[in-house]
Amino acid sequence: AQSVSQHNHHVILSEAASLELGCNYSYGGTVNLFWYVQYPGQHLQLLLKYFSGDPLVKGIKGFEAEFIKSKFSFNLRKPSVQWSDTAEYFCAVSPTSGTYKYIFGTGTRLKVLA
Amino acid sequence: EAQVTQNPRYLITVTGKKLTVTCSQNMNHEYMSWYRQDPGLGLRQIYYSMNVEVTDKGDVPEGYKVSRKEKRNFPLILESPSPNQTSLYFCASSQTSGIVNEQFFGPGTRLTVL
Repeated sequence: AQSVSQHNHHVILSEAASLELGCNYSYGGTVNLFWYVQYPGQHLQLLLKYFSGDPLVKGIKGFEAEFIKSKFSFNLRKPSVQWSDTAEYFCAVSPTSGTYKYIFGTGTRLKVLA
Repeated sequence: EAQVTQNPRYLITVTGKKLTVTCSQNMNHEYMSWYRQDPGLGLRQIYYSMNVEVTDKGDVPEGYKVSRKEKRNFPLILESPSPNQTSLYFCASSQTSGIVNEQFFGPGTRLTVL
């Protein structure tokens, strides 16, 4: 079955700390990969996406993610977090063929301490 | 302004009383989808639609119905709501070019079933 795992459910960091959130997926075919962010009281918005090409993708607000095909992973990183990055982060995959489902992970709640 | 709108934003109802949550998008997107968000479970796809009159089940379709009679609208129908359908519901839409691209989310509908 298709699934997306986010291993860190809650992360607490101090401002300026580096961030890495894990995302692994389970699917037998090719997928497109996404990270979304949900700020408190707001709806989800796209941080970045990977379809093909350079496995290191850069998104908004200084976030980046690396697709490692052999590990079925798409980890999100930011070198230096800010208080305003406090939010919930969701990894998602969309298979490129066979189905038009869109599968989200369970989310990681990040709290950045000022 | 490009957006996805949902109504109502908040709803408290009782078991068994049929309800409809509306969703509308003004971006001419082919793909529309409904999700429910529950603590610890992330977003789970209920139903999706690739285009007018084309709908398919997501991962948690039981107890829900949808219809897509017009491209811009994708209502979610709960024929006989039960307390386990208490959740935060999001509608989303996306362009497709053979694949499902970035999704644009509505503001959410918080449903409580007593």
